Amino acid sequence: DAKTTQPPSMDCAEGRAANLPCNHSTISGNEYVYWYRQIHSQGPQYIIHGLKNNETNEMASLIITEDRKSSTLILPHATLRDTAVYYCIVRVVRSNYQLIWGAGTKLIIKP
Amino acid sequence: GAGVSQSPRYKVAKRGQDVALRCDPISGHVSLFWYQQALGQGPEFLTYFQNEAQLDKSGLPSDRFFAERPEGSVSTLKIQRTQQEDSAVYLCASSLEPPAGLADLTDTQYFGPGTRLTVL
Repeated sequence: DAKTTQPPSMDCAEGRAANLPCNHSTISGNEYVYWYRQIHSQGPQYIIHGLKNNETNEMASLIITEDRKSSTLILPHATLRDTAVYYCIVRVVRSNYQLIWGAGTKLIIKP
Repeated sequence: GAGVSQSPRYKVAKRGQDVALRCDPISGHVSLFWYQQALGQGPEFLTYFQNEAQLDKSGLPSDRFFAERPEGSVSTLKIQRTQQEDSAVYLCASSLEPPAGLADLTDTQYFGPGTRLTVL
């Protein structure tokens, strides 16, 4: 019961900004949007999360639309090491605030 | 600092064998999660511990799957009588605090590298 929709794959040139979209049209008011990425043969790595305000940290920026039905993860200056599968996740309000994962976007950074 | 570690990294089992997968969470982390990740898919929740208490095991696919965390630190996921459909990567994650409504970095889940289980 994934609650997010992402394109299966994207390319981006090295040094350019990578913009990864995500639709979460059924998100509830108290559910957060999380982004993780998974480099080949590694465990998922936390990137950023937000509720309704835009967020920025040392890794990325998260832009959430005003109606909260979609968001965009921005990697400002992509490097080859950013090649990974990027997951947009909704944290649902269950007893353990479970993360519900979709299939993610395979981002390939090209030299 | 040390992250979440898992062992073994790779495990090959014959159908019907029992396996045990170990997770060492980040020191001091209260919460521990197990996930199963099939090839090309996102992780799927299996079970959740808060210290030594298993508070949610709703994602365990059958009674052949059993998890424990007896002293509130290291956790073991055991699969009895393995089947080919059990082949997957098993991921462990931990967080400093229990999950709460106000999501901050203290309840962010940090993942280990996973154990790739192949059942022949």
